[in-house]
Amino acid sequence: QLQLQESGPGLVKPSETLSLTCTVSGGSISSSSYYWGWIRQPPGKGLEWIGSIYYSGSTYYNPSLKSRVTISVDTSKNQFSLKLSSVTAADTAVYYCARHRHIIPYCSSTSCYSLPVYFDYWGQGTLVTVSS
Amino acid sequence: DIVMTQTPLSLSVTPGQPASISCKSSQSLLHSDGKTYLYWYLQKPGQPPQLLIYEVSNRFSGVPDRFSGSGSGTDFTLKISRVEAEDVGVYYCMQSIHPFGQGTKLEIK
Repeated sequence: QLQLQESGPGLVKPSETLSLTCTVSGGSISSSSYYWGWIRQPPGKGLEWIGSIYYSGSTYYNPSLKSRVTISVDTSKNQFSLKLSSVTAADTAVYYCARHRHIIPYCSSTSCYSLPVYFDYWGQGTLVTVSS
Repeated sequence: DIVMTQTPLSLSVTPGQPASISCKSSQSLLHSDGKTYLYWYLQKPGQPPQLLIYEVSNRFSGVPDRFSGSGSGTDFTLKISRVEAEDVGVYYCMQSIHPFGQGTKLEIK
């Protein structure tokens, strides 16, 4: 059974960089069939996709967060990581890592980008609070 | 932008009774590759979303057969043939995580 586990600091100061790692067990992150993504959910609110990565290192980001996000993969450790810079209180959320199976082209009213679909396995999530 | 509209927004069901949730998208979800990327998730309090149905009508591994999905184009339905206590939570239909719909809250009477 595939399992994903998020790890990292639960408290980050404003203007600093949030860093999280997702460790995958029970399956290989190097599988050509899957992508690996980060999603967040502010308390009491809906889900927001942050970005995704393929085992080869190709990355796909939510246009609204792209300027602050870096996602990387370490296939030797079966892990992928998230860095979100210049955080504010608005970045306080439960952060999930998850696996998804497809990326499809999508155009909103303002931009075109790659849209992740078919999220099948999720980590339990980790609460990150941005506060001084 | 695609907008997903679910009805009802809340549902109170007696155990053993059926339930149905409607989902309408503002644009057709039929992709140029012939697939319809429409998924149903259930999110229980304090937990991540769990996948129930993928690509309109396919039950994900381990999902009880009391859950079924149907529809095409812009109109979709999730049906639970006999609701059980463990089915409580918020149900979401979505093409992707982004943008995100409002969900339907299922409670047990």
